Amino acid sequence: DVKVTQSSRYLVKRTGEKVFLECVQDMDHENMFWYRQDPGLGLRLIYFSYDVKMKEKGDIPEGYSVSREKKERFSLILESASTNQTSMYLCASRPGGSRNTIYFGEGSWLTVV
Amino acid sequence: DQQVKQNSPSLSVQEGRISILNCDYTNSMFDYFLWYKKYPAEGPTFLISISSIKDKNEDGRFTVFLNKSAKHLSLHIVPSQPGDSAVYFCAASAYRNNDMRFGAGTRLTVKP
Repeated sequence: DVKVTQSSRYLVKRTGEKVFLECVQDMDHENMFWYRQDPGLGLRLIYFSYDVKMKEKGDIPEGYSVSREKKERFSLILESASTNQTSMYLCASRPGGSRNTIYFGEGSWLTVV
Repeated sequence: DQQVKQNSPSLSVQEGRISILNCDYTNSMFDYFLWYKKYPAEGPTFLISISSIKDKNEDGRFTVFLNKSAKHLSLHIVPSQPGDSAVYFCAASAYRNNDMRFGAGTRLTVKP
């Protein structure tokens, strides 16, 4: 069974704080992703990584950065959290190749006050 | 601009009847399509997929249909059960691309 683990399920942070969301997968997948889910907007891709130290911007990268120092770990960083970043964040991983399923973690609920 | 569109935010059906969820896409490079199901406070889980070389794929009560010329796919659930009540996301990816794009989701409610 593929396991994608997000370190924090629920976080409350203050505006301007630096926030780290951590994600680990145990299936040696090449690709890892960060999405956010908002009502009416679905799952929007923030960043993805297809290899260690490699990253690509998704549709909404503004205000976010990522880090992938090891294959199994992909971190999402909010340099200076803002209230419009209150959302559910979903990490996912996928084997290499375009015809493969993507596997999600359970999500991290972030509230910025 | 969303490349994958689910224009119906919600759908309500009676238990035992058919549920039909629709999805449209704009990127003609997409060649692999998936449906995911999501319950509140959980991550999405994979339901069924179809590649562009097919026009239909079945798995038990779930069937996905693909119409490439119309850039349209649909998910049929027959018969619908109350446990199917969830948000359903359509997703697509393109050959040689590692990323995947999702639609806005459709909330399905199956009434007993």
